[in-house]
Amino acid sequence: EVQLVESGGGLVQPGTSLRLSCTASGFAFEDYGMHWVRQAPGKGLEWVSGISWTSATIAYVDSVKGRFTVSRDNAKNSLYLQMNNLRADDTALYYCAKSDTTVRTLSWFDTWGQGTLVTVSS
Amino acid sequence: EIVLTQSPATLSLSPGEGATLSCRASQSVSDYLAWYQQIPGQAPRLLIYDASNRATGIPPRFSGSGSGTDFTLTISRLEPEDFAVYYCQQRSTWPATFGPGTKVDIK
Repeated sequence: EVQLVESGGGLVQPGTSLRLSCTASGFAFEDYGMHWVRQAPGKGLEWVSGISWTSATIAYVDSVKGRFTVSRDNAKNSLYLQMNNLRADDTALYYCAKSDTTVRTLSWFDTWGQGTLVTVSS
Repeated sequence: EIVLTQSPATLSLSPGEGATLSCRASQSVSDYLAWYQQIPGQAPRLLIYDASNRATGIPPRFSGSGSGTDFTLTISRLEPEDFAVYYCQQRSTWPATFGPGTKVDIK
């Protein structure tokens, strides 16, 4: 069974850092692009960041550029999101999502985790 | 950035009725558009990709159409489990963007 499990969320103060992790199983993690998508409470979906299978292609939404860093460890079947200088508007449920194809990084998201909640508040 | 708009924001229907949801892109995305379903408390689920292809396990009552800037998701006969929020997403250019969603609720 293809599965993604996020962890690392929590309640943090503005200006601090947090590192999210996503552990994959049931598929060849090293062959697929991976993404982070977030959803603020009661709001819609926002793509945050994506990384290709080799880490050669990395992209971010403008609002997190310079603050968030995505990375992966294919040996550990894991995806990460380092979030620095967190702001109140970063408060959201953060989903890890898998690209549906090995051919390209920017693709459809065919598998999602259940999300990890990040709350930024003083 | 490509902006996606969805209409209507809310669709109130009864089980057994048909639903038509629209998604419009601020510029052409060719057929690089997908639809997702999100049931409250659950992660999104891919329904339709490349504008008209059903994802694995998606029943045939769901269909997608369109190209360029105008797209439609049609649910032929609503089942109780279909009442949810539906999002469109484009992968034509970075960054990937989602529409704001259409909520299909029970009349």
